[in-house]
Parts: sequence; structure tokens; C-alpha cells
Amino acid sequence: DGGITQSPKYLFRKEGQNVTLSCEQNLNHDAMYWYRQDPGQGLRLIYYSQIVNDFQKGDIAEGYSVSREKKESFPLTVTSAQKNPTAFYLCASSIQGATDTQYFGPGTRLTVL
Amino acid sequence: DAKTTQPPSMDCAEGRAANLPCNHSTISGNEYVYWYRQIHSQGPQYIIHGLKNNETNEMASLIITEDRKSSTLILPHATLRDTAVYYCIVRVAYNNNDMRFGAGTRLTVKP
Repeated sequence: DGGITQSPKYLFRKEGQNVTLSCEQNLNHDAMYWYRQDPGQGLRLIYYSQIVNDFQKGDIAEGYSVSREKKESFPLTVTSAQKNPTAFYLCASSIQGATDTQYFGPGTRLTVL
Repeated sequence: DAKTTQPPSMDCAEGRAANLPCNHSTISGNEYVYWYRQIHSQGPQYIIHGLKNNETNEMASLIITEDRKSSTLILPHATLRDTAVYYCIVRVAYNNNDMRFGAGTRLTVKP
């Protein structure tokens, strides 16, 4: 997990509510990422940010929003517009460099009831 | 879409070497091969990466064929804690949105 923390480990919300997932890193990494993982499948990129106050959509950004006000933090909001929000959400970070190896946090499992 | 092909599952005896294959026949000259693993309900863990040459670190060895169309991750002495899903990924350096995880190989290490 390195110095990447995600909280909480498990999160339950009612349908129609927005929910914000936390991701913090103390690795001094420039870039941060959010991925979604569904059971038995690989990871899909939601959003990524290369520097503070800048971020780009990934492959499945619809129904999600992010902010990057601090280098250490990259919170993800799952909005009510996301049709199937129940999933395992993973945050990662990397240093801007030759190969940009990404290091992942422990993940947050979101269940929408 | 993932640019790699991996077997869905493999078994290995504890203490023996685990050899996990990956095909990436359409790899470009500027694409690296990365390996990650994911233990159930945890975040993926970086293992190793390479471009052309074979690589070794404290966790594993990566063997890349001369034509770069396939590679093998070697865990020299597998333990029960190595049971996980192993992902082979090819990506261009400096391209932050190019990490494509497929379904991976589920490695089960048996006593």
C-alpha cells in the first residue's frame, strides 16, 4: 500500500445519495488516479490528475467527479447519476518520471442499497 | 481494451517456481511490460517492469522474448502468500491514462 490511504474500507449508501471517497498520499507523488473494479474483472480508469488543480477524464468518468486542491489529496465523489455505483474503488499515485509506476491504496468497497 | 493475453488460472506447488506467461504480440517499441498482483480485496501491488532486457528484483524475475511479443514472470520459490491474481500490462511511458488491466491470471499456490 505504500503511503496511500483510502478510507473507509467499506462504505454503504442509499440509492440517490452522493458519496465522497477519500484518497491521501504522503509519497510526494505528482500524479493520482481513480479506478473502479467490478467482481472478477480488471480495473477501469475513472479520472486522473497529473498536477494540482488539474484532472482528466478516464474511460468511465460519467457519474463521477473529482477535485485536486492539494498534492496529497484526490477525493472522488460518486454522484446519483452513476447508474451502477456498487464496486471496489482503488486510488493510485505515481511520480512523474520515466516509467510512472503506479502504487495503489487498499481500496474502498462501496455498496449502494 | 487490454493489450495482453494471459491464461485465466494456474496452479503451483509451494516452494516451486511459478512461471506466469503473457502474450503481447502488438507491443510497440516504446511500450513497457508491467506486472502487478492483487490479493483478494486489496489494492494491486507493483511487482516488476521492463522494456527489452530481462529484469530481476527481490520479488520476481521478468523474462522478455527477443521479439518482445511475450514475457514470463517468474516467482522463484512460490509460497502460499503468493496466491493472487497477476496482471500483465503493456503501456507507454509518460502516458498516465494507459494502464489497462485485463482479467489477469489467478495463481493458486498449493501446499
